[in-house]
Amino acid sequence: RKEVEQDPGPFNVPEGATVAFNCTYSNSASQSFFWYRQDCRKEPKLLMSVYSSGNEDGRFTAQLNRASQYISLLIRDSKLSDSATYLCAVPPLYGGATNKLIFGTGTLLAVQP
Amino acid sequence: DAMVIQNPRYQVTQFGKPVTLSCSQTLNHNVMYWYQQKSSQAPKLLFHYYDKDFNNEADTPDNFQSRRPNTSFCFLDIRSPGLGDAAMYLCATSRVDSASTEAFFGQGTRLTVV
Repeated sequence: RKEVEQDPGPFNVPEGATVAFNCTYSNSASQSFFWYRQDCRKEPKLLMSVYSSGNEDGRFTAQLNRASQYISLLIRDSKLSDSATYLCAVPPLYGGATNKLIFGTGTLLAVQP
Repeated sequence: DAMVIQNPRYQVTQFGKPVTLSCSQTLNHNVMYWYQQKSSQAPKLLFHYYDKDFNNEADTPDNFQSRRPNTSFCFLDIRSPGLGDAAMYLCATSRVDSASTEAFFGQGTRLTVV
């Protein structure tokens, strides 16, 4: 099993739609999780952090399901500007004190007018 | 103001000609990372420094080396670039002893090998 796996994309949704992505992780001891947004040919930028059961920021909600070892990202009322690749990141299985992050392959979201 | 700065943004190098990419940070973070990202793939960790301690990933080719002369700067050296090394190289930093462990990225250096 890969350390981090994400929903295959692309997701093509109309403006105003609600869309959700899932990310599964293999390290049951992981305590922190992150969603990054990456625009085409740009660097990843932190979108949301998840340290407990979940986090909400405006139209974006991240939820953690420890029993099933996945985190989800929900985007409500999608905007054209939400079109990007969304990367899930979790500490790796053998991560020590350095908290290095391993990324999933990302899910491409395309919001259509 | 940019907190993690990579130079140059775009680098063209010849096949087999050594090239160095640089990264600097103003965050005073103790960990610095180098990731390689190819088109439509996830960022792949090459190595990282925890303070002065170098940590190489097991599958990072020997062709890739790194130096961190001080807290603020970190360099990625590619000794003999091949066509397969063309990619975006991302530098990131984080602070281990804080509650948040997310990584902050520079804008990346896009390397082309000709």
